[in-house]
Amino acid sequence: NAGVTQTPKFRVLKTGQSMTLLCAQDMNHEYMYWYRQDPGMGLRLIHYSVGEGTTAKGEVPDGYNVSRLKKQNFLLGLESAAPSQTSVYFCASSYGTGYEQYFGPGTRLTVT
Amino acid sequence: SQQGEEDPQALSIQEGENATMNCSYKTSINNLQWYRQNSGRGLVHLILIRSNEREKHSGRLRVTLDTSKKSSSLLITASRAADTASYFCATDEGSNYQLIWGAGTKLIIKP
Repeated sequence: NAGVTQTPKFRVLKTGQSMTLLCAQDMNHEYMYWYRQDPGMGLRLIHYSVGEGTTAKGEVPDGYNVSRLKKQNFLLGLESAAPSQTSVYFCASSYGTGYEQYFGPGTRLTVT
Repeated sequence: SQQGEEDPQALSIQEGENATMNCSYKTSINNLQWYRQNSGRGLVHLILIRSNEREKHSGRLRVTLDTSKKSSSLLITASRAADTASYFCATDEGSNYQLIWGAGTKLIIKP
């Protein structure tokens, strides 16, 4: 089992450019999450999904969109990147609420 | 808004010593989780403790939960160099699907 994988691992964008981060899990988990982690801070939830075809906003959703067309995949989109979106992005999945979350290795994004 | 707060922010100890980290939270919870993050990597789950539990063990890890004080502690016994990492606590918010994370404790084990 690969667990949770993220693509790409690193990316540099210019302000205003767009990109999509891909998260895939092979554990048949219903729940998937996108977080951002900034220096000296814990994780902040951007968006999450409780099942295929569903998405919901987390703590910091502005500037991001997500889609969950297939159960195993959760995509995070930045339509017009801003320097404030420079961060490390983590995807996670879980069996359900109240269960441990499994994390991907992260994507380091720099917006110049 | 972050609910869990770890204390201390950083901790440096000698290999073989015990390390204790604390987490405080503000509202009632169903469960609290501890995770480890090695530098530049994803988080790894350590222990989940439910609100009706007071203590849990896993190998060299011991977690306690005091719901009256809204606090938890993580004890790592006989520390090793490989325990060098950041440790985060995360709490749930009842019917909400989200985990709320603290800023973490950075633990350094000196050889």
